[in-house]
Amino acid sequence: EAGVAQSPRYKIIEKRQSVAFWCNPISGHATLYWYQQILGQGPKLLIQFQNNGVVDDSQLPKDRFSAERLKGVDSTLKIQPAKLEDSAVYLCASNLNRPYTEAFFGQGTRLTVV
Amino acid sequence: GQNIDQPTEMTATEGAIVQINCTYQTSGFNGLFWYQQHAGEAPTFLSYNVLDGLEEKGRFSSFLSRSKGYSYLLLKELQMKDSASYLCAVRGGDYKLSFGAGTTVTVRA
Repeated sequence: EAGVAQSPRYKIIEKRQSVAFWCNPISGHATLYWYQQILGQGPKLLIQFQNNGVVDDSQLPKDRFSAERLKGVDSTLKIQPAKLEDSAVYLCASNLNRPYTEAFFGQGTRLTVV
Repeated sequence: GQNIDQPTEMTATEGAIVQINCTYQTSGFNGLFWYQQHAGEAPTFLSYNVLDGLEEKGRFSSFLSRSKGYSYLLLKELQMKDSASYLCAVRGGDYKLSFGAGTTVTVRA
């Protein structure tokens, strides 16, 4: 079974530029999460989708971050404009929409804003 | 919302046992999960608890008390490769999966 795919693996941009990340979850997984993990901290949930609907985006900085999941499969996360404090690893995870099942993570995108 | 607390760091000797505690407050409960994360890598699933009690999986065991909002991960016969961050995660209502800050375990020879 293929895992969660993310791209790019690394990205360096200047502040105020825009960037987009892509995630392809495991086939059949209805739930998709985007997390931000700053060095030395645990993953922070940015947004959770169930199919193509948003379940929770309470911690997404909506003035600069946006995410979509068209057709309930692939998802993109965008930052526009980026700030220095956005430097982090952006992790995508997916899950069957069933209780007591674990989420699987992609390798993440390491973003450096300079 | 969800609030998850775990110690920041722990150090132990190779071959020893370490217990990582996790306390949580959550609205709704659909499982407690433990993940291992090596530096520069993605989290990988270790174990989950749904019901109260101990779940054993080789050298790793995890315990849950839902009434106390408490879990622990027990690592036995520590090996150098167990040096990593261990993340406690709780799935609340709507399958929202929230993580603690992680506990960095350092195994010394």
